[in-house]
Amino acid sequence: RKEVEQDPGPFNVPEGATVAFNCTYSNSASQSFFWYRQDCRKEPKLLMSVYSSGNEDGRFTAQLNRASQYISLLIRDSKLSDSATYLCVVNYNTDKLIFGTGTRLQVFP
Amino acid sequence: DAGVTQSPTHLIKTRGQQVTLRCSPKSGHDTVSWYQQALGQGPQFIFQYYEEEERQRGNFPDRFSGHQFPNYSSELNVNALLLGDSALYLCASRTSGGETQYFGPGTRLLVL
Repeated sequence: RKEVEQDPGPFNVPEGATVAFNCTYSNSASQSFFWYRQDCRKEPKLLMSVYSSGNEDGRFTAQLNRASQYISLLIRDSKLSDSATYLCVVNYNTDKLIFGTGTRLQVFP
Repeated sequence: DAGVTQSPTHLIKTRGQQVTLRCSPKSGHDTVSWYQQALGQGPQFIFQYYEEEERQRGNFPDRFSGHQFPNYSSELNVNALLLGDSALYLCASRTSGGETQYFGPGTRLLVL
C-alpha cells in the first residue's frame, strides 16, 4: 500500500465549478500535511498547509481528519488558471516529505 | 531574493555514465533535500543535507550520493546510470528551524 494515495484523475470541470480532491495516508505518526500544486513540467509549489481545524485561503479549503487519516482540498469557483496537478503531501519530520502521485485538474471554458 | 536554483536544466546521458547535478538554496536556507520525480509520479525523497552532512536518506541505492558545501549549496551524484534513472530531479531548501520546503525548477535527466 502506498503511503499517500490520491485519485490520479483527470478531473475535467467547467469554469465556476466546485471540485474536491481526497487523499489518504497510511502512517498515523504523520505530523504535518500540505497540498502542493505542480504545473506541467514545473516544480511543485506549496498551495497550503492543512490543519486539523480546517483552513481556508480564498477559494481553497483544506480539511484534515486524523482519525480517518484523510485529507481533502476543495476548490470553489474554478478558474482556467487552476488547471494543474495537485499533490497531497505528508511529513513525519521536517526532513522528508511524502508525496502522493497527484490529481490532475483540467478546467475548461 | 533569489529562490532555489538548479543546474543544468536538462541533461542527456547514456547508461553506465555518471552525472552531477547542482543546487543553490534560497537565500538564508541551510538545509537542502533532493527528490526524484519519475513521469506520472509524485516526487520521492532521496536524501537531505544539513551542516555538510547527510542527515536522512530515502530508499535509493548507494549509486546516489551527495555533498553539501560550506555555502550550503549541494550536489547530487548518480553513478552507473540506468534507464530508470530518467526523471526530474528536484532540490528543495528550508531554514533549519522552518517547516516549509521551497523547490527549485529541477533538472530533467534523460538516460539513453
